This record gives sequence, C-alpha cells and structure tokens, in this order.
Amino acid sequence: GENVEQHPSTLSVQEGDSAVIKCTYSDSASNYFPWYKQELGKGPQLIIDIRSNVGEKKDQRIAVTLNKTAKHFSLHITETQPEDSAVYFCVAFLYNQGGKLIFGQGTELSVKP
Amino acid sequence: EAGVTQFPSHSVIEKGQTVTLRCDPISGHDNLYWYRRVMGKEIKFLLHFVKESKQDESGMPNNRFLAERTGGTYSTLKVQPAELEDSGVYFCASSPAGGYGYTFGSGTRLTVV
Repeated sequence: GENVEQHPSTLSVQEGDSAVIKCTYSDSASNYFPWYKQELGKGPQLIIDIRSNVGEKKDQRIAVTLNKTAKHFSLHITETQPEDSAVYFCVAFLYNQGGKLIFGQGTELSVKP
Repeated sequence: EAGVTQFPSHSVIEKGQTVTLRCDPISGHDNLYWYRRVMGKEIKFLLHFVKESKQDESGMPNNRFLAERTGGTYSTLKVQPAELEDSGVYFCASSPAGGYGYTFGSGTRLTVV
C-alpha cells in the first residue's frame, strides 16, 4: 500500500543552525505534498506545501524540495529558533483516494537556545 | 472563521466502556476525515465523509468503531467496547470540495485503562 518514510525520527540542533528532514513516498499518483507542524496539545498545522509540477518552494526560513523521479521530498529550516521545536510530519496527498493523507512517522525537532 | 473543534480534549475510560468523540468541522466543508496517532507512531487515516456519506472507511480498525455524520454537519466516532490498544490521539480534519486545504482539530487524547 501507500507509504511515506521519514528520517530522522529525532533531531536536535543549536539555535541558528539549519535542520533538514527527508522523506520518500511510494505512490506515483501522489501530486501534492504538505508539511505539518504539531506542537504539544495542538493538532497538525500546515506550514508549507509543494505540488508535483514544482521542484522547490520557499517561504521565509522554510523551504521544501521535491524530486518526483526519485520520489524524495525534503524540508529545510534555516536559522532555527526555539519556537521551531515541535514534531514535523511529511505527508503525501492521495487525490485519487478522496484526499486521504499518508503521514510519515514524524520528526521531533528540538532547537536548543 | 472558526476552526475544527473536537471534544472532549481528553478522555480516560476503563476497558470495556464506551466513548464517543465529537468533531465540528469548518462550516461549508464537505469533506470530514478522522485520523489517529497511536503512541510514537505515525498519524493514520481512519475514514472519510463527503457530506453525510462515508466515502472511505478502509482505515477503521474493526467493528468496535462506528462513525456517523448526521446531516452532513458534525461527526461522532464511537468506540464500543474500548480496548487498551485504542488509546491514542484522535484527530478530525475538514476540507472544502476537492480535498485540498485541510484544517485539523486539536485532537482528543483517549486513554483506555
């Protein structure tokens, strides 16, 4: 079935450093890849997304890249801040299955002041 | 615009009891989804409503779980009887027609003891 693999499961960085999270997906029909941030006690919140006709997208300190041939996509956070600490999920959106989301396992990011 | 509302936020019940979770989606969103995160694992799809109709319930674990969406508005997810392995965080999400533009609720943390 459809699967999304995410690495690493935990990531600790110093404030100001960069953080990179990598994912691979299995379903070639996936055409939209949102990233979610989940803070303690809250639901997942969309932070950035990318569609399959685009290779890279940037929004201030956050950027995503997509290699559709290799089925890889990545999240890059630059100049990390303590408030970036949260669990991040990469996701494959299955348009041909009613918009079902397939989540990666999650990355717990800790940014140390 | 009001977000997706879920209640209760926490529920602790004994094995064998019944629990009902409620989700109020964003007004006008045709799509309503239920997801679950079991401790330390990825968030997994449970089911999908389009208005009042079940579109996909392939993720429902077993027949102890029953979801309804009366009149195409709010939805309930009943677990009867609850088992220990049902513990986890249950998220509801809604989106407009087409599926893009998910908004998640804050989740219900269910603990079965």
